Amino acid sequence: GENVEQHPSTLSVQEGDSAVIKCTYSDSASNYFPWYKQELGKRPQLIIDIRSNVGEKKDQRIAVTLNKTAKHFSLHITETQPEDSAVYFCAASKTGANNLFFGTGTRLTVIP
Amino acid sequence: NAGVMQNPRHLVRRRGQEARLRCSPMKGHSHVYWYRQLPEEGLKFMVYLQKENIIDESGMPKERFSAEFPKEGPSILRIQQVVRGDSAAYFCASSPGADGYTFGSGTRLTVV
Repeated sequence: GENVEQHPSTLSVQEGDSAVIKCTYSDSASNYFPWYKQELGKRPQLIIDIRSNVGEKKDQRIAVTLNKTAKHFSLHITETQPEDSAVYFCAASKTGANNLFFGTGTRLTVIP
Repeated sequence: NAGVMQNPRHLVRRRGQEARLRCSPMKGHSHVYWYRQLPEEGLKFMVYLQKENIIDESGMPKERFSAEFPKEGPSILRIQQVVRGDSAAYFCASSPGADGYTFGSGTRLTVV
């Protein structure tokens, strides 16, 4: 089955700085890569996703890049704000399988 | 659209009792997934169901755990003879197809 690894497990940045979270996956058939944000005690919420036919996708301060050859994808958050503090999860799935395989999460702390 | 509804939000069971967790998918969503999240850990896939069918239960323990998604009514995750190690947050998600996951708020199970 798919194995998704995520780094780092914790990340602290100063407000206004950028944050980068990286994930690797093992199954070359995976073609859908969403990112979820989970605040303490709340549900995971989709913040951005990317498909394998695209190398980069951006939505305001959030961007995701995908390198299919190397089987890794990254989340970039620019101009971080305290409300960005949360646990972020990457995930991977493939067409026809539907179930998502999640990374172990990154706890991001934005220091005001 | 009320989103994915899970109940109860919190459930306390004594060792050996049964736990029943319910999930009503978003309107129009026919795919339901159950995930388990241990404290400070990621989301682990348990089971994927469509109406009246279990599509993939590869992540669900073979004993004591079962899931169903009947033609009428919510999806049910059932844990028999609960043990302390079953204490976790159980999240349900639904989707209309291959992606577009939406998570519920989760059920926090505590076994005492």
